Amino acid sequence: DAMVIQNPRYQVTQFGKPVTLSCSQTLNHNVMYWYQQKSSQAPKLLFHYYDKDFNNEADTPDNFQSRRPNTSFCFLDIRSPGLGDAAMYLCATSRELAGGNEQFFGPGTRLTVL
Amino acid sequence: KQEVTQIPAALSVPEGENLVLNCSFTDSAIYNLQWFRQDPGKGLTSLLLIQSSQREQTSGRLNASLDKSSGRSTLYIAASQPGDSATYLCAVRLDSSASKIIFGSGTRLSIRP
Repeated sequence: DAMVIQNPRYQVTQFGKPVTLSCSQTLNHNVMYWYQQKSSQAPKLLFHYYDKDFNNEADTPDNFQSRRPNTSFCFLDIRSPGLGDAAMYLCATSRELAGGNEQFFGPGTRLTVL
Repeated sequence: KQEVTQIPAALSVPEGENLVLNCSFTDSAIYNLQWFRQDPGKGLTSLLLIQSSQREQTSGRLNASLDKSSGRSTLYIAASQPGDSATYLCAVRLDSSASKIIFGSGTRLSIRP
């Protein structure tokens, strides 16, 4: 089945230790998104890629970076995780930005920072 | 600034009842609105997408309506089942740019057997 896959599902890191979260998709969608969702809060868009074009949200901290080496994969790098970065990180895809393009989400990676 | 609100934050109803979840947004100039389901500790599952030119969408026991002028959308769930227990989120897209997608905080629904 075509889907959005996130690995790992649970990630524990230490304060200040860089961590990378992975997302892959078999949908061949042009757009990939990363969201941060803290407990009982709405998902917050961090950035997205349209093909190879990177679009950062204005309020996304510099501590968060992303890479998209090819259509299928997108990575979220947290350079120096703080306690406040503990959250669920959701990856999503859509075929295009325009039109009635639904977003399809992965299962998420829950990040714990010790 | 667009704000999306979902009230109540939590709702508990007995199995078999029909129910309505609410979503309101402050700026009526939206591109589309999407309803999602989120199970505890899981990602989001898309339920229904309504374009700004549409008034409703249906999928099985779910019906979503959109009233742009009043800044409201509702998700109607017919004959609720315990398996419907989850958090339901709505999200609006202001335009074709992905940076303009705004989520509500969700309504946590519990269906009592």
